Amino acid sequence: AAGVIQSPRHLIKEKRETATLKCYPIPRHDTVYWYQQGPGQDPQFLISFYEKMQSDKGSIPDRFSAQQFSDYHSELNMSSLELGDSALYFCASSPVQSGNTIYFGEGSWLTVV
Amino acid sequence: AQTVTQSQPEMSVQEAETVTLSCTYDTSENNYYLFWYKQPPSRQMILVIRQEAYKQQNATENRFSVNFQKAAKSFSLKISDSQLGDTAMYFCAFMKHVAQGAQKLVFGQGTRLTINP
Repeated sequence: AAGVIQSPRHLIKEKRETATLKCYPIPRHDTVYWYQQGPGQDPQFLISFYEKMQSDKGSIPDRFSAQQFSDYHSELNMSSLELGDSALYFCASSPVQSGNTIYFGEGSWLTVV
Repeated sequence: AQTVTQSQPEMSVQEAETVTLSCTYDTSENNYYLFWYKQPPSRQMILVIRQEAYKQQNATENRFSVNFQKAAKSFSLKISDSQLGDTAMYFCAFMKHVAQGAQKLVFGQGTRLTINP
């Protein structure tokens, strides 16, 4: 079965640089989520999109932005990177019905040096 | 706001034993969903089991089962006949019943489970 696809899987950036993560949800899933998991932490919700519109927002820094495109893929843009942004970034998707299971991608490792 | 608490940071058992991971949550909602996710060393987040709050029957998936106590707001995971491949971080997660597209998971702190040969 198709899964959530994230790219790149690993990314190394310097402080103050910009990074873009991409996510391709499971086919026919129209809700996309972004989570950030720091070292030794549980995943923290950043933002979600439903039908290409932002549906909910969590602890996403102002330096970060995201959008969902017409083909339902999503991109997370991170600017002015800080050392503390080093984390595993998960994209996840689910069908629209409330309570449906959220399926996660394998994550994108971002290291800021 | 909803909170999820996993009071056992680490657990360790021998292969083939049964182990129970604890999870409590706090919510004023009546309709919600509970999940256990497994995160092995590869760091992938894998769904283990889910429970709808309106269902009294405890969910089971092969060797994995839950003990859902709605009044006590408790949602423990039991792993029977544990296997080396069960070694992972286990996260309990809560999802409330909300508008379309606005649902999200709130995670507990995780329990690191080690299965010893």
